[in-house]
Amino acid sequence: DTEVTQTPKHLVMGMTNKKSLKCEQHMGHRAMYWYKQKAKKPPELMFVYSYEKLSINESVPSRFSPECPNSSLLNLHLHALQPEDSALYLCASSQDRAPYGYTFGSGTRLTVV
Amino acid sequence: GENVEQHPSTLSVQEGDSAVIKCTYSDSASNYFPWYKQELGKRPQLIIDIRSNVGEKKDQRIAVTLNKTAKHFSLHITETQPEDSAVYFCAALNNNDMRFGAGTRLTVKP
Repeated sequence: DTEVTQTPKHLVMGMTNKKSLKCEQHMGHRAMYWYKQKAKKPPELMFVYSYEKLSINESVPSRFSPECPNSSLLNLHLHALQPEDSALYLCASSQDRAPYGYTFGSGTRLTVV
Repeated sequence: GENVEQHPSTLSVQEGDSAVIKCTYSDSASNYFPWYKQELGKRPQLIIDIRSNVGEKKDQRIAVTLNKTAKHFSLHITETQPEDSAVYFCAALNNNDMRFGAGTRLTVKP
């Protein structure tokens, strides 16, 4: 399995909702990432997990809460989002501290209404 | 932290011509430089990459060059085809920190 699987593919949520994005890989990668991508912009790094521990948090607002329950799973919990948080959320994984096999998931397109 | 600059932001070429996109990076500790192609509504797809101990790499019509001293790297696409039209991103990686350039929208006119 050489894929990073993200669910759901599309999500519409209200500003008072709580939802979660999921990311899964079975390549044995020990580094996992969340990126946010707005239209016509590059992906922006949000969080990095290394061996299930948060190693980088790019000053992301607390309404985004990452979780890495095990080496194959990465979640992003969403609460009280704003319309400007609407974007494509991309998960990626790689070997830790090495670029080998750096792979993006197909993303979750999030719309906050 | 790392800062990656990419030029040009848009590039239009005639089918069959070559296209060159250039990037510079700021962190000399960055050691891996991938290039991604992203079509509308899809994920970034790795098209070629280069590690800091290599100066040039080629894969069919695509090549990447790296100048570590000057901290810049370039993507070269030869014999462009309409299906090469997309947004291209360069990136630089240091440990687990990957930073992207702003992107180049390449249009190949038939």
